[in-house]
Amino acid sequence: RKEVEQDPGPFNVPEGATVAFNCTYSNSASQSFFWYRQDCRKEPKLLMSVYSSGNEDGRFTAQLNRASQYISLLIRDSKLSDSATYLCVVGDVQAAGNKLTFGGGTRVLVKP
Amino acid sequence: ETGVTQTPRHLVMGMTNKKSLKCEQHLGHNAMYWYKQSAKKPLELMFVYSLEERVENNSVPSRFSPECPNSSHLFLHLHTLQPEDSALYLCASRSWDTEAFFGQGTRLTVV
Repeated sequence: RKEVEQDPGPFNVPEGATVAFNCTYSNSASQSFFWYRQDCRKEPKLLMSVYSSGNEDGRFTAQLNRASQYISLLIRDSKLSDSATYLCVVGDVQAAGNKLTFGGGTRVLVKP
Repeated sequence: ETGVTQTPRHLVMGMTNKKSLKCEQHLGHNAMYWYKQSAKKPLELMFVYSLEERVENNSVPSRFSPECPNSSHLFLHLHTLQPEDSALYLCASRSWDTEAFFGQGTRLTVV
């Protein structure tokens, strides 16, 4: 089983619609969770951190379910500029270091 | 601009060349990472340095050699690479369980 797993998509989303997707992780001791956005041929950029209580940033809502070991991202009122690959990232602070594991990404295509 | 700078941005090298990638951060972070991203593939963790000590070597071939002389700088020394090593090489830094900041990457082509 992969450490961090995502549906690769693509999710084809009409402009203005809502889209949601999940990411599962295998290490129950994981401590930090993030969603990154990556545009074609560019570096990943932080979209939002994911907190235990869930959090919202404008049109984006992230949730963490520790019992089932998944995090989710919901995008409301999709814009054309939301087209990108969304990367789920899980962090483990080990005794000797800080491990960050990336999922394979979920591709989202917003169309007019 | 994330505060993590990578140079060069693009690199073309022959299989017999030796080159180095450089990453620099002045964000006060205590961990630095090298990732490899091949075309249409997910990011692959290569190396992690925490407090200047290498704590992760993800089965990377010895033709890739990292160096972390201090907490602000990270290098990736390359020698006798193969064409399949062509990829985007990304450096990132973070502190403990905070988010990671990425450099813009070096797009490497091995010919």
